[in-house]
Amino acid sequence: EDQVTQSPEALRLQEGESSSLNCSYTVSGLRGLFWYRQDPGKGPEFLFTLYSAGEEKEKERLKATLTKKESFLHITAPKPEDSATYLCAVQAGETSGSRLTFGEGTQLTVNP
Amino acid sequence: DADVTQTPRNRITKTGKRIMLECSQTKGHDRMYWYRQDPGLGLRLIYYSFDVKDINKGEISDGYSVSRQAQAKFSLSLESAIPNQTALYFCATSDPNYFAQHFGDGTRLSIL
Repeated sequence: EDQVTQSPEALRLQEGESSSLNCSYTVSGLRGLFWYRQDPGKGPEFLFTLYSAGEEKEKERLKATLTKKESFLHITAPKPEDSATYLCAVQAGETSGSRLTFGEGTQLTVNP
Repeated sequence: DADVTQTPRNRITKTGKRIMLECSQTKGHDRMYWYRQDPGLGLRLIYYSFDVKDINKGEISDGYSVSRQAQAKFSLSLESAIPNQTALYFCATSDPNYFAQHFGDGTRLSIL
């Protein structure tokens, strides 16, 4: 069974204080690992897809990395508008039917 | 306009009622999904559809049914609602060539 564990559950940072969120996964035949951002009252917003170990993607203050067992979402010099819940999801082999298995998320708060 | 539109956005109803949640998309994607989100349990897949003639159960399909009326429309029904179906419901779409799923803003459903 595919499993995704995110840590920490909640993280509070000061504006400008860089940090990382962790996503550990157990999956048979990883086809992709996805990061989403979710704001209150909204659906998850797609951020990145990572396909293989060693891959990195960047977008503004966010950088996602992938190893064979985990992914990190690095947040550099965060701003209050980066406050949100960040979700990680994995997709296994094609027999899983494109279904994503989600972690429970990390709730990030950035204080001014 | 949103690419993935869900209606209604909020619904309060009573135990035993039949409820339909609707999803329409303008992304031109063939694949559509229904998830529910609960605190502490994350996002869980209810049903998914690869095209109009293809419907598949997800991990928590009991008590739910779906209809794919057209490429752009996918509805979720609760035939006889019960209180533990109170949750946030999300529709998502994806392109078969790219695994990332794109979400609507959800329906908050409360069953009394």
